[in-house]
Amino acid sequence: KQEVTQIPAALSVPEGENLVLNCSFTDSAIYNLQWFRQDPGKGLTSLLLIQSSQREQTSGRLNASLDKSSGRSTLYIAASQPGDSATYLCAVAGNTPLVFGKGTRLSVIA
Amino acid sequence: DTAVSQTPKYLVTQMGNDKSIKCEQNLGHDTMYWYKQDSKKFLKIMFSYNNKELIINETVPNRFSPKSPDKAHLNLHINSLELGDSAVYFCASSQTVNQPQHFGDGTRLSIL
Repeated sequence: KQEVTQIPAALSVPEGENLVLNCSFTDSAIYNLQWFRQDPGKGLTSLLLIQSSQREQTSGRLNASLDKSSGRSTLYIAASQPGDSATYLCAVAGNTPLVFGKGTRLSVIA
Repeated sequence: DTAVSQTPKYLVTQMGNDKSIKCEQNLGHDTMYWYKQDSKKFLKIMFSYNNKELIINETVPNRFSPKSPDKAHLNLHINSLELGDSAVYFCASSQTVNQPQHFGDGTRLSIL
């Protein structure tokens, strides 16, 4: 059974810092891994999707990496801004339905 | 234009009632999903439909019955609501299971 773990559960940083969010999964037989953002009272916004054959994806200040063999992914956020404050969720698609981690709640302090 | 829209946004009802939540996507996607997010914010898939056909049905009580009249709509009907059904229910869609999913804003269901 696929399990997805995200560390840390919460993170508070001053504006301008670079930061890394971690995601690990137990079953490496995946099709893809996605990073989402969830704002309070809202749905999820897809940030990046990495196919199982890829090592990383970049979008603006965001960079996500995937190491399938070790069951790890990281989301790197450069030059963080208060508007980045949200919960970030990692989700893995494979033989099982999309499995989500519990998220990392990020606060960027101005 | 809202890509994935759910109605209602809030639903407060008594235990034992039957209620429906509607979902529509205007993205032309073939696959739609229902998720449940509990009070601890843990998000778990309930159902997935591809071109109106059920492809994923997780361990969900049979009081929950999804219906897809066409590939742009996936509605969720819940019979005999229980206190434990209180949660936020999210609808999502994607072109295929291997493409990014687009989420609605959720329906907050509260059972009194």
